[in-house]
Amino acid sequence: NAGVTQTPKFQVLKTGQSMTLQCAQDMNHNSMYWYRQDPGMGLRLIYYSASEGTTDKGEVPNGYNVSRLNKREFSLRLESAAPSQTSVYFCASSVDSRNQPQHFGDGTRLSIL
Amino acid sequence: EDQVTQSPEALRLQEGESSSLNCSYTVSGLRGLFWYRQDPGKGPEFLFTLYSAGEEKEKERLKATLTKKESFLHITAPKPEDSATYLCAVQADQAGTALIFGKGTTLSVSS
Repeated sequence: NAGVTQTPKFQVLKTGQSMTLQCAQDMNHNSMYWYRQDPGMGLRLIYYSASEGTTDKGEVPNGYNVSRLNKREFSLRLESAAPSQTSVYFCASSVDSRNQPQHFGDGTRLSIL
Repeated sequence: EDQVTQSPEALRLQEGESSSLNCSYTVSGLRGLFWYRQDPGKGPEFLFTLYSAGEEKEKERLKATLTKKESFLHITAPKPEDSATYLCAVQADQAGTALIFGKGTTLSVSS
């Protein structure tokens, strides 16, 4: 049971570099999410996709873009990385976007120098 | 503004010493309250969903309860393997699909 799989697990970037974080789920869920987790801040929603073909901004979308490639895959792109984007990024999925528990991957630890 | 506050920030227990973690929330129209467990270096692991005041859910040594303003996660006779950070999150009408997370309670259980 893979659940939600994120790649890579770790990455170090230089300021200004670009990168795409990958996420795939095998639970046939309709909704997918990207969060970042910072010390003392809790988890904050970056973007979400309520269903295939739709994406919407969350609480902290600036500096990020997303693509819902198909029902299984949801990627997060940093076009020009900044040190403030150093964080742990989590992808999650749920059956749908209303009242359903979200299931998380194990995260991508991203450092931007 | 929708808010979720967890207390205490950290809790140290002896094995077998029962206690409770608190999650208080101020939201407009609660649609669901979720408890997660997070181990170091891992993603949050779903534990419970509570939808209405008075509802209770149990799993092994854990029991979650919900009132109109707060939720408690009761841990009965904890073991060292219960050591983790416990996160509370709510979904509310005005927040749309987003989960609003608290900052978590880090539980350490020593033998």
